Amino acid sequence: AQSVTQLDSHVSVSEGTPVLLRCNYSSSYSPSLFWYVQHPNKGLQLLLKYTSAATLVKGINGFEAEFKKSETSFHLTKPSAHMSDAAEYFCVVSDQPGGYQKVTFGTGTKLQVIP
Amino acid sequence: DAGVTQSPTHLIKTRGQQVTLRCSPKSGHDTVSWYQQALGQGPQFIFQYYEEEERQRGNFPDRFSGHQFPNYSSELNVNALLLGDSALYLCASSLQDRNTGELFFGEGSRLTVL
Repeated sequence: AQSVTQLDSHVSVSEGTPVLLRCNYSSSYSPSLFWYVQHPNKGLQLLLKYTSAATLVKGINGFEAEFKKSETSFHLTKPSAHMSDAAEYFCVVSDQPGGYQKVTFGTGTKLQVIP
Repeated sequence: DAGVTQSPTHLIKTRGQQVTLRCSPKSGHDTVSWYQQALGQGPQFIFQYYEEEERQRGNFPDRFSGHQFPNYSSELNVNALLLGDSALYLCASSLQDRNTGELFFGEGSRLTVL
């Protein structure tokens, strides 16, 4: 079975402080994992992806995530939050149970950055 | 390199009407997926088209139908609109052979049903 759980629906940080958005997944296969960001009334933009290469993945805008198979986690981090990081973030798991790719989105984490 | 484009960006319909939304995939992509995103929710998978056929379908009623054309562009049709169909409809394209699940999204079509 495939599922993804974003542990926090809202996260609030001060500008310049670290960001941690948590994601746990479940997959019966070798999954690919993604983080997407969505600014208000916009489509989704890919931040970073894990596709079975290096477990520490660097993305755009200073974000990175670490794939931890033993913990079934793929948490998103950034050392220092910027006001422009305020948005909704979606963790996504993808695997291929047979024939076609199956993709499941988490419910999202809304990141608020306080000046 | 054109990304995924969707039209219209906004539209308002009344209950019982029908709507058609359009999507052009990213250049070189052959697979189109449609998602419904209600306010404050994550995207929910509607269906996926590849080689002009519906290959996968999420938990949506038959009122939701689609089509893919030979140039890989796609349409989403919704009949007998309900208030609950109000949402942002997102189109995502991908390359079937790449098979990583990476999706490229358009800006969406925001549908309001009154």
